[in-house]
Amino acid sequence: DTAVSQTPKYLVTQMGNDKSIKCEQNLGHDTMYWYKQDSKKFLKIMFSYNNKELIINETVPNRFSPKSPDKAHLNLHINSLELGDSAVYFCASSHRISSGRESTQYFGPGTRLTVL
Amino acid sequence: QKEVEQNSGPLSVPEGAIASLNCTYSDRVSQSFFWYRQYSGKSPELIMSIYSNGDKEDGRFTAQLNKASQYVSLLIRDSQPSDSATYLCAVLTGGFKTIFGAGTRLFVKA
Repeated sequence: DTAVSQTPKYLVTQMGNDKSIKCEQNLGHDTMYWYKQDSKKFLKIMFSYNNKELIINETVPNRFSPKSPDKAHLNLHINSLELGDSAVYFCASSHRISSGRESTQYFGPGTRLTVL
Repeated sequence: QKEVEQNSGPLSVPEGAIASLNCTYSDRVSQSFFWYRQYSGKSPELIMSIYSNGDKEDGRFTAQLNKASQYVSLLIRDSQPSDSATYLCAVLTGGFKTIFGAGTRLFVKA
């Protein structure tokens, strides 16, 4: 069984379009994340949800809007796509152990977004 | 100063040698530290986690943490060609945000 799944795996679209990426985890974790990995392979956090509440919201254009309908799902909607949005987007999940500690983050397979 | 710094490499070692990967971080209150391995075109996967000062060994891998020096390292003994990948250092900061380093590319030559 896949622990963290993302759909779609590949997404090719035109500038200006709106698209969504979905993520689901079946690990029972309470925290989920969206990361962006650019062409230089730098992995940067975008958002994090703990028990459906947004706890991390990095400096990301407001064209990006996450939504967590429940603890097992975290979706990412992107409006008015731009060329610079082309990257691989990873979803991840973890469990918060205690103050200052976190379990391993498990990553989904990634969604390669190409904006033409 | 970047929050988590790694030498981007590439680091090239012969098969059977010890590969040493280093990482420094800036947030002194960080308590959780991770090493992830990422093969090209794949997602990151955990190699080691370490929370206390000292060494932690798991098979051919040893993570070392020195909080006073804000330094984390990963040693890979008996390196194999299959260890060739990018190794990402990750630190859970005091703000409960996991920051990843830019990664070190490792090549193990057969």
